Amino acid sequence: TQLLEQSPQFLSIQEGENLTVYCNSSSVFSSLQWYRQEPGEGPVLLVTVVTGGEVKKLKRLTFQFGDARKDSSLHITAAQPGDTGLYLCAGARFGNEKLTFGTGTRLTIIP
Amino acid sequence: DVKVTQSSRYLVKRTGEKVFLECVQDMDHENMFWYRQDPGLGLRLIYFSYDVKMKEKGDIPEGYSVSREKKERFSLILESASTNQTSMYLCASSLWSGANSPLHFGNGTRLTVT
Repeated sequence: TQLLEQSPQFLSIQEGENLTVYCNSSSVFSSLQWYRQEPGEGPVLLVTVVTGGEVKKLKRLTFQFGDARKDSSLHITAAQPGDTGLYLCAGARFGNEKLTFGTGTRLTIIP
Repeated sequence: DVKVTQSSRYLVKRTGEKVFLECVQDMDHENMFWYRQDPGLGLRLIYFSYDVKMKEKGDIPEGYSVSREKKERFSLILESASTNQTSMYLCASSLWSGANSPLHFGNGTRLTVT
């Protein structure tokens, strides 16, 4: 059973469009991280959210941690081809030192 | 910038072989991790280490062992490779303990066991 489910699994959209990807769980997390992995490379950390309801912005990317700390979303405005990659969420449960990774969303931006 | 280097990008091994995957980090990080990545399953933790000569099992340690003789180096060992160990293997390091600490990943080793 996967603790963190991401949706959609695959997403292909035109350059300039907006999109949202989701990371959902029935468990409560103390914090949640988002990573992006480009082909042939390892994942790179984008952001960490630690407070329920927290919103963080990174240029055209907006990350939100759910009020109940069970879910998170990533919204991209005016997607660019450079946004193409595999987006992974990873959560830390209270009292557990290990990160649990989600199933990933593979995003393709078509020029 | 932290650099995590995995010694091989691609490996092809035969069933039953002993396989060593090497990982080196250059930023004096205390913690090192080995994950495997499979489509639709995300990253799954195999083993991790918080100090030299120390190791702890992750979520899927069966069929694997690790070695950390020096702070900068963390090796993953497949004692007798099997076809179900065909996967992408990712090494990572982090500066401090705790799941909030950002992970710095290498570029991965794609292992094929035939």
